[in-house]
Amino acid sequence: GQNIDQPTEMTATEGAIVQINCTYQTSGFNGLFWYQQHAGEAPTFLSYNVLDGLEEKGRFSSFLSRSKGYSYLLLKELQMKDSASYLCAPLYNFNKFYFGSGTKLNVKP
Amino acid sequence: ETGVTQSPTHLIKTRGQQVTLRCSSQSGHNTVSWYQQALGQGPQFIFQYYREEENGRGNFPPRFSGLQFPNYSSELNVNALELDDSALYLCASTRGAANEQFFGPGTRLTVL
Repeated sequence: GQNIDQPTEMTATEGAIVQINCTYQTSGFNGLFWYQQHAGEAPTFLSYNVLDGLEEKGRFSSFLSRSKGYSYLLLKELQMKDSASYLCAPLYNFNKFYFGSGTKLNVKP
Repeated sequence: ETGVTQSPTHLIKTRGQQVTLRCSSQSGHNTVSWYQQALGQGPQFIFQYYREEENGRGNFPPRFSGLQFPNYSSELNVNALELDDSALYLCASTRGAANEQFFGPGTRLTVL
């Protein structure tokens, strides 16, 4: 739903930086969440952007452009444990979360 | 640990049967949302309950229904099960409707 688009899969090397992009429909949009999901586990919260700009949280940063319907998640100093799916989840009308299909990140030594 | 629990962990049903899945939220979290996650897909929003009333619904038919109780627990009921209902069902609780969601571990439903 809500035309959420993110890459299906990405591969990066341990210690590198990777950027995962997400585009979404802007009508009714309130804010955007990023979640991490390891295989067989529930999603866990990474970040929340309401205003335009960059939010930094340790090795993870998230950027939002409300007018462009665009966000990205930036992961620095990649570790093997970062291999997981990353879910972009815009919030609409203050009561509906829609998730993208997720980007499967493979971190290689 | 998110403080959100779900039961049962796994469940096998046959087509046409009915199922009830349960979720216990964190104390003080007055909003619960339910999601269906098929293999290899992101969670799909089913509905949200706020203070025991449905507060929003995704594109799911009426045979998907829910309840939320004053003790921060909730239920997802699915009638007339279909094969495509086989999925992981997740509940997530928040304090207020537009805040960080804490997910439970999920219930894996298989419909044969």
